[in-house]
Order: sequence, then structure tokens, then C-alpha cells
Amino acid sequence: EVQRVESGGGLVQPGGSLRLSCAASGFTFSNFWMSWVRQAPGKGLEWVANIHQDGNEKYYVDSVKGRFTISRDNAENSLYIQMNSLRAEDTAVYYCARWDRYCSSGICNGGHFDHWGQGTLVTVSS
Amino acid sequence: QTVVTQEPSFSVSPGGTVTLTCGLRSGSVSTSYYVSWYQQTPGQAPRTLIYNTNTRSSGVPDRFSGSILGNKAALTITGAQADDESDYYCVLYMGRGISVFGGGTKLTVL
Repeated sequence: EVQRVESGGGLVQPGGSLRLSCAASGFTFSNFWMSWVRQAPGKGLEWVANIHQDGNEKYYVDSVKGRFTISRDNAENSLYIQMNSLRAEDTAVYYCARWDRYCSSGICNGGHFDHWGQGTLVTVSS
Repeated sequence: QTVVTQEPSFSVSPGGTVTLTCGLRSGSVSTSYYVSWYQQTPGQAPRTLIYNTNTRSSGVPDRFSGSILGNKAALTITGAQADDESDYYCVLYMGRGISVFGGGTKLTVL
């Protein structure tokens, strides 16, 4: 069974830092792109970041560029996101998800999110 | 800034058919956007319904279908059931690793 378990959420003051973790199991973690998606209270879903299987290719939504860093440890089957300079608008439930890409002859395009974790709540408040 | 549009709310009668749409504020949606659809009930993680415009995810009943209708992507639910009452989100892939969610549609079954 494919599973993802997020952890590391909590209350942090504006300007503070937090590191979220996502432990994956049930699939060959190192074969897949991974993503973080967030949802502010009462709001819609927002893609935050993606990371390539080898960790060398990363993409971010504009609002977190320069503040958040996505990373992974394939030996530990774990995905991370380091969040610095946190703002009130970063308050959200953060989900990790597998990002399944469409690849042919080594060229990849598109993708969809699948196998979502249960989410971890980050609250940025003084 | 890319804005993906969805109806804020929709209602359908039990057993009825409803089509939710996903558009772009500027431009038309096509298969090149690798459209995907997600269902979310309050307090739960999203569930993947449709990907690559019209492919159902594993375990998704065939009363859910995806398509392109005119200049928008569409999610059609045929024979709506009470437990289809959820929020539905579409995602468009914009290239360069970037995905954009629509604002979501709250579907009521009554």
C-alpha cells in the first residue's frame, strides 16, 4: 500500500523557520518526482514545489521562491521542505504528493499529483 | 499571472448529470495542459480523479469522466450520488515544472 506521512508542522512566529518531512512507502521513492501542495484554512489548493527523482531539478511557486527549499533523501524514502522567513500567508495544511510525469523516450512533460499524504498544519502567528 | 477559473459552486440532483468546467482567464484549455481533477471532502486529503485530460485514476468509478469542451476542460459526473458532494479542483500544467490549481468548485447534491 502506498503511504505518505507528513510531520513537522506547528506554530511558528512570523519570520521564523520550519522543516516539514514526508516519509513515503509502498513504492520505489527514488523513481518518482515529488511535490508539496498547500491549502490555507478555508481556501483552495496551491502547488508549492516539485523535485526531480535525483534532487537536482526543482521548481517553486513564485510566492515561496528564495524562502522555501525542497529536498529529498532517497536512501530514507523521505521528502522535505525547509521553510524560512515565514509569513502569515504561509499558514496552511501542507500535503506531500507524488508527481507522476508523462515520459516518452526520455522526454517528460506534464504530470499529475497522486498518492497524497494526510497533511500537516503550519500556523504562522505571533 | 496565470488564473485558472472554475465555477465557485454547483448543485445537482441525485441521479443527475453535472459538468464542471476549468478554464483560463486568458486563453483556451487544450490537452497540452495535461489537465487533472481532484476531489476533496472537508478535513480530508485530495483524491485524484482524472489525469491527462481524460484518464481515470485507479478505483475511480466510470461515472466520472474528463474531456475538453470548447475552450475549457470539463469534469462530468453522471448519475450523481450523495457522496459526490465535495470540492472539485482542476490543475493545469503550465510547463517548466509549474502547475496551477483552479479555485475549486463546491458541488452540492440535493
